[in-house]
Amino acid sequence: GENVEQHPSTLSVQEGDSAVIKCTYSDSASNYFPWYKQELGKRPQLIIDIRSNVGEKKDQRIAVTLNKTAKHFSLHITETQPEDSAVYFCAASGGGSNYQLIWGAGTKLIIKP
Amino acid sequence: GAVVSQHPSRVICKSGTSVKIECRSLDFQATTMFWYRQFPKQSLMLMATSNEGSKATYEQGVEKDKFLINHASLTLSTLTVTSAHPEDSSFYICSAKLAGGYNEQFFGPGTRLTVL
Repeated sequence: GENVEQHPSTLSVQEGDSAVIKCTYSDSASNYFPWYKQELGKRPQLIIDIRSNVGEKKDQRIAVTLNKTAKHFSLHITETQPEDSAVYFCAASGGGSNYQLIWGAGTKLIIKP
Repeated sequence: GAVVSQHPSRVICKSGTSVKIECRSLDFQATTMFWYRQFPKQSLMLMATSNEGSKATYEQGVEKDKFLINHASLTLSTLTVTSAHPEDSSFYICSAKLAGGYNEQFFGPGTRLTVL
């Protein structure tokens, strides 16, 4: 079955700098790759997603890139702000039935003022 | 649009009792709903996939007789934790997928269950 690996587990960056979180997946049939932001005690919030027919997608300070050949995708956050501090999860879907999401282990992003 | 509600938000119960959690899609029809459990500092763990009108599909290691799932309508799924024990204490989150939609899931706010 699908397996998603996420790195790093913790990322600390200076406010204003960029942050990059990387994920790899194993099932070449996966075709949907969302990124979620989760604050403590709250629900995951979709911040950006990408489908397999696209290589890159950008939404203001957030971008996601997908390399289907290498089976990895990355989240890029530029000009980081204190409110970006949270846990970020990547996920992959589409290779199995019922459109289940297979989740990465999460990255705790700390923005230092 | 695509709002999912979940009740209760927080519940404390005694060991041995049963707890029911409701997940509702408020403004869309959800043929498929998912139930997750999340322990502190861990990722979401899929417990089961619930399809309207049929039996839920449970992930390996999840006891179907302990975690009863009912998806009786296109807008409501319930999870009942039967004979709860302290090790069942966790954050339970549901999500719903749009009927006929793509893979995107919309999440409920979660239920914090504490079993004493």
